[in-house]
Amino acid sequence: AQSVAQPEDQVNVAEGNPLTVKCTYSVSGNPYLFWYVQYPNRGLQFLLKYITGDNLVKGSYGFEAEFNKSQTSFHLKKPSALVSDSALYFCAVRENSASKIIFGSGTRLSIRP
Amino acid sequence: DSGVTQTPKHLITATGQRVTLRCSPRSGDLSVYWYQQSLDQGLQFLIQYYNGEERAKGNILERFSAQQFPDLHSELNLSSLELGDSALYFCASSDRDKHFYGYTFGSGTRLTVV
Repeated sequence: AQSVAQPEDQVNVAEGNPLTVKCTYSVSGNPYLFWYVQYPNRGLQFLLKYITGDNLVKGSYGFEAEFNKSQTSFHLKKPSALVSDSALYFCAVRENSASKIIFGSGTRLSIRP
Repeated sequence: DSGVTQTPKHLITATGQRVTLRCSPRSGDLSVYWYQQSLDQGLQFLIQYYNGEERAKGNILERFSAQQFPDLHSELNLSSLELGDSALYFCASSDRDKHFYGYTFGSGTRLTVV
């Protein structure tokens, strides 16, 4: 069965520093991978996806994610964090043959000025 | 505005009661998904409908049911409510059954059971 893990409940970064939010997955075939962001009292917003192709995927708000098949990881990154990036981030995965997306438990990103 | 509309935004009800949450998908989207977000269990998939038919079922309790109507809006019915049902309920839609392009989420309905 497909699963996704976000090992960090919270990540704290100073503004201007690079950030990484970790995600590992488990699927039986080729994964479809996603990152979503949730701001307070809002729904989840799509950030980026990996379906196939280049392992480095660029998304919204300057975020990018690197697909690593050997490590079954899909870490979210940003070269320079902004205070406005503070939010809850969800990694998600879907198997080829499945019809639903499974979300990780979420990582709260806190950017201090 | 994501294009996915959920009503009501907030709902407070007593234990044992029944409520209905409504979702209108983004224009053109045929698939609707329901998720429950609680503090201790993260985002849990409940059920998916595609063009009126149930496509996938997750951790949905027997007290809960859903349907998708011909105009593609969906309703999630929660009955015999318990305190533990208090959560944010999200609806999402996608434009293809196999959702290669991810989901578009509504802003959710916050249910509080007292």
